[in-house]
Amino acid sequence: QAVVTQEPSLTVSPGGTVTLTCASSTGAVTSGSYPNWFQQKPGQAPRALIYSTNNKHSWTPARFSGSLLGGKAALTLSGVQSEDEADYYCLLFYSGRWVFGGGTKLTVL
Amino acid sequence: EVQLVESGGGLVQPGGSLRLSCAASGFTVSNSFMSWVRQAPGRGLEWVSIFYSDGNIYYADSVKGLFTISRDNSRNTLYLQMNSLRTEDTAVYYCARGKFGSPFDQWGQGTLVTVSS
Repeated sequence: QAVVTQEPSLTVSPGGTVTLTCASSTGAVTSGSYPNWFQQKPGQAPRALIYSTNNKHSWTPARFSGSLLGGKAALTLSGVQSEDEADYYCLLFYSGRWVFGGGTKLTVL
Repeated sequence: EVQLVESGGGLVQPGGSLRLSCAASGFTVSNSFMSWVRQAPGRGLEWVSIFYSDGNIYYADSVKGLFTISRDNSRNTLYLQMNSLRTEDTAVYYCARGKFGSPFDQWGQGTLVTVSS
């Protein structure tokens, strides 16, 4: 089974910009990996943010954006707010199966 | 309004079995991608299984041959039959619903499964 790797933790200042990445053990992440991104706050169920690389759900704040960057999937937060402090997970598709990354703990400080 | 309500979690001994249910409302289970995702205490998310709208089913290697996903269209409910449970199966189990390219749009609140003697 493939392994999906994310930064374990990142810190960003309020109002700043931060990029989280998502790499696959099988090679470059492409649009065919249908990268998804999720946010999870303590004690809550995950919430979907981005699907199929760069598509936002109706509830996704405009400051969140998805892309492909150097063979990885990327989630960029611009104009970070304190409420963005959370765990972020990416998800990739592998021939019918899905694999989550280990998650990135984002601290806003 | 889309709602997913999981039930069936609880305490079970190693080697035991449990069946989780996910009652759906506001949409039709058979027309959606329906999945189970779990999260062990203090750990990350782990995809468990998916029931595609075309009837195809897939499992994570960690549960293949032990867990079975199914759906009851008449009850609009998704199930997860878990057999030969191990302590490492202890987790909150979430039910999720989605579509092509976006398999986990909406999530339930989860049900806790504890495998312990």
